[in-house]
Amino acid sequence: EPEVTQTPSHQVTQMGQEVILRCVPISNHLYFYWYRQILGQKVEFLVSFYNNEISEKSEIFDDQFSVERPDGSNFTLKIRSTKLEDSAMYFCASTGWTGGLAGELFFGEGSRLTVL
Amino acid sequence: RKEVEQDPGPFNVPEGATVAFNCTYSNSASQSFFWYRQDCRKEPKLLMSVYSSGNEDGRFTAQLNRASQYISLLIRDSKLSDSATYLCVVNIPPSSGSARQLTFGSGTQLTVLP
Repeated sequence: EPEVTQTPSHQVTQMGQEVILRCVPISNHLYFYWYRQILGQKVEFLVSFYNNEISEKSEIFDDQFSVERPDGSNFTLKIRSTKLEDSAMYFCASTGWTGGLAGELFFGEGSRLTVL
Repeated sequence: RKEVEQDPGPFNVPEGATVAFNCTYSNSASQSFFWYRQDCRKEPKLLMSVYSSGNEDGRFTAQLNRASQYISLLIRDSKLSDSATYLCVVNIPPSSGSARQLTFGSGTQLTVLP
């Protein structure tokens, strides 16, 4: 069964360092997302990406965050200068729906980021 | 009012019990509704979509009330393996762009006891 894969599964970093989280969405999907979940809290939308550009982003997704699809398969989330409050599980998701109503999101297993 | 609001629980029920979760959403323009399940420290996974007419999948029944902006999930004959957090998920129409985003409730924690 096709799946979304994410690396690394866990990254520990020092405050102020840059972090890149990588995702390989399901190959024929068109829409890609990053969500985050701080421990014990709800899943929060960060950004959606379609046709090689950001489609929608939340207030959380400030100038410290960027996304890229560099090679047609990987979808990356970069945090330029990490803060303590960036510690969370980051989920990549993709969907194959072609517009209109939202369909099922397929999530990766997540990348746990710990900022010290 | 929160965009998607759920009773956080926890709900602790014995095996075989019937349990119901409720969810309200604030944006009347929302068009798609889902229940996702999340096991501890795992990714969310789709449990079922919620259709206007209500729908059933085995022991699970989902209902939608657009007038009250209310969604429910009923689990019958609960199993130990049903223990998880159940997330109410609603699509929020975008302010711009084409990719609608899904907004998650905080989840309702269920523990089924032997």
